[in-house]
Amino acid sequence: SQTIHQWPATLVQPVGSPLSLECTVEGTSNPNLYWYRQAAGRGLQLLFYSVGIGQISSEVPQNLSASRPQDRQFILSSKKLLLSDSGFYLCAWSSRNPGRVKETQYFGPGTRLLVL
Amino acid sequence: GIQVEQSPPDLILQEGANSTLRCNFSDSVNNLQWFHQNPWGQLINLFYIPSGTKQNGRLSATTVATERYSLLYISSSQTTDSGVYFCAVETSGTYKYIFGTGTRLKVLA
Repeated sequence: SQTIHQWPATLVQPVGSPLSLECTVEGTSNPNLYWYRQAAGRGLQLLFYSVGIGQISSEVPQNLSASRPQDRQFILSSKKLLLSDSGFYLCAWSSRNPGRVKETQYFGPGTRLLVL
Repeated sequence: GIQVEQSPPDLILQEGANSTLRCNFSDSVNNLQWFHQNPWGQLINLFYIPSGTKQNGRLSATTVATERYSLLYISSSQTTDSGVYFCAVETSGTYKYIFGTGTRLKVLA
């Protein structure tokens, strides 16, 4: 069966410090990968998605970046964190079958980031 | 881009009551999912339902794609149903899921 991991689970970082959040998927190959952010009491905002290694699409201009160095690894980074980067970061995957519609999206447990 | 709105934004129920949550979307969609976010933040898939009706225990969902809405029914609600319910849609030709505004449900014992 497929599983999705995120770490760390929680993180407290000072303003201006760098960030690296990691997401890995097991039990599937060639997935679509997604990063979302959820502010407290709010909905989910799509930040980045990737349909393959090295292919990243950005949805919201900001000081965050994403990379996909391996098929089942998705990394969210920042060189200098802002207070407004605080939130709950969720990674998700969906299967991708050429010629077929895409299927259910599955979420990881998330990382709670507090920038002070 | 596509707009996804959910209603009601907040709902308080007594245990055992039934409820209907609604998701309206502004354009045709390729995929639609319902999720439950528990108090610990975990998003749980409830239904993948771009059209038609599905049932899973006390939960059922209906999507009328031609009229651009989906409904989630919760029957005989339990305290464990508390949390936030989201619908998410994907438009044809994209790989992007856009989430609705959510319905926050609290079920009282």
